[in-house]
Amino acid sequence: SQTIHQWPATLVQPVGSPLSLECTVEGTSNPNLYWYRQAAGRGLQLLFYSVGIGQISSEVPQNLSASRPQDRQFILSSKKLLLSDSGFYLCAWAVVADTQYFGPGTRLTVL
Amino acid sequence: RKEVEQDPGPFNVPEGATVAFNCTYSNSASQSFFWYRQDCRKEPKLLMSVYSSGNEDGRFTAQLNRASQYISLLIRDSKLSDSATYLCVVRGGGKLIFGQGTELSVKP
Repeated sequence: SQTIHQWPATLVQPVGSPLSLECTVEGTSNPNLYWYRQAAGRGLQLLFYSVGIGQISSEVPQNLSASRPQDRQFILSSKKLLLSDSGFYLCAWAVVADTQYFGPGTRLTVL
Repeated sequence: RKEVEQDPGPFNVPEGATVAFNCTYSNSASQSFFWYRQDCRKEPKLLMSVYSSGNEDGRFTAQLNRASQYISLLIRDSKLSDSATYLCVVRGGGKLIFGQGTELSVKP
């Protein structure tokens, strides 16, 4: 069966510091991968998605970037965090573009 | 207009009640429809897909009206464990669009 991992589970970072969040999927090949952010009390916002290694589509211009160095690895990064980057970051996978399954998420607080 | 709009909530109901959630979507070319459930501080989890003919899974019934661009979720005999936020989700253009969610609180 398929499993999706995210780490860390929680993170507290100062403004201006770098960020690296990792997501890995097991039990499937060539999945579509997605990064979402959910700000407190708000809906899910799609940040990036990838249909294959090295292929990244950005949905919202912002302070973040994504990379997919391996088939089942998706990384979200920032060079300098802003206060507004705080939120719940969720990675998801899907076969083609159908039902998406989410990882446990990383709760990021930028102080 | 938001692409996916849900009842604002929260809904506070007693155990055993029947509760209905409504959702509308703006893109008539939308292809697939889902309800997800999100517990507090957890990731969303797929509750059920929504089919044109309507579908049922135990106490949960989902309906789709493509002409009205309307989706609903009915929960019968609600349990304390049904307390969560329910997300209406629509797929169009290869991406999922999430509604803001409707919070449900089931009380003893």
